Amino acid sequence: DGGITQSPKYLFRKEGQNVTLSCEQNLNHDAMYWYRQDPGQGLRLIYYSQIVNDFQKGDIAEGYSVSREKKESFPLTVTSAQKNPTAFYLCASSTVGQPQHFGDGTRLSIL
Amino acid sequence: KNQVEQSPQSLIILEGKNCTLQCNYTVSPFSNLRWYKQDTGRGPVSLTIMTFSENTKSNGRYTATLDADTKQSSLHITASQLSDSASYICVVSAGFSGGYNKLIFGAGTRLAVHP
Repeated sequence: DGGITQSPKYLFRKEGQNVTLSCEQNLNHDAMYWYRQDPGQGLRLIYYSQIVNDFQKGDIAEGYSVSREKKESFPLTVTSAQKNPTAFYLCASSTVGQPQHFGDGTRLSIL
Repeated sequence: KNQVEQSPQSLIILEGKNCTLQCNYTVSPFSNLRWYKQDTGRGPVSLTIMTFSENTKSNGRYTATLDADTKQSSLHITASQLSDSASYICVVSAGFSGGYNKLIFGAGTRLAVHP
């Protein structure tokens, strides 16, 4: 059954700590994306990758980092430089001409 | 500035009733418009996608319309069910720019269907 798997479902971060959110897809999509969702706002793009070993900053990349070593995987690290990390994080993937397919998200909170 | 505005912010209807959600956009260039359904704590799921030349598209009890002249779209839900309780997000694609298909997301309309 093809899809996108995000883990963990819930994550807590301590002050000064980096945390990594996992995103894996078995849809054979070339493009992958990370979004942040805050209450009352539309999704905002953090990073995207069109191909393995290449990625680009989105609209709100500060305080985040990504890697794309494999086509199936696009992990997002929320660094200690991100001062307001509490949000719902969504990973998506797509192929040309098709809507983006989303995972079920990771909710990050601060301890 | 590219923007997508949705109304109402929230809506409560009784099971079996119809409802219409609105989306106004100022996005240029326009490539397509999509409606997504997002259940609480889940990722959005695509309902419909319409290009400039399409003015209506249906997916079961969901019917989306697009007026490219007035830059408005609506999502009509017929004979609502409890499972329709969710947020509905309007998304406009600004076309392929800067190496990717840029999407502008609305804040969503939260629909609650009561028995």
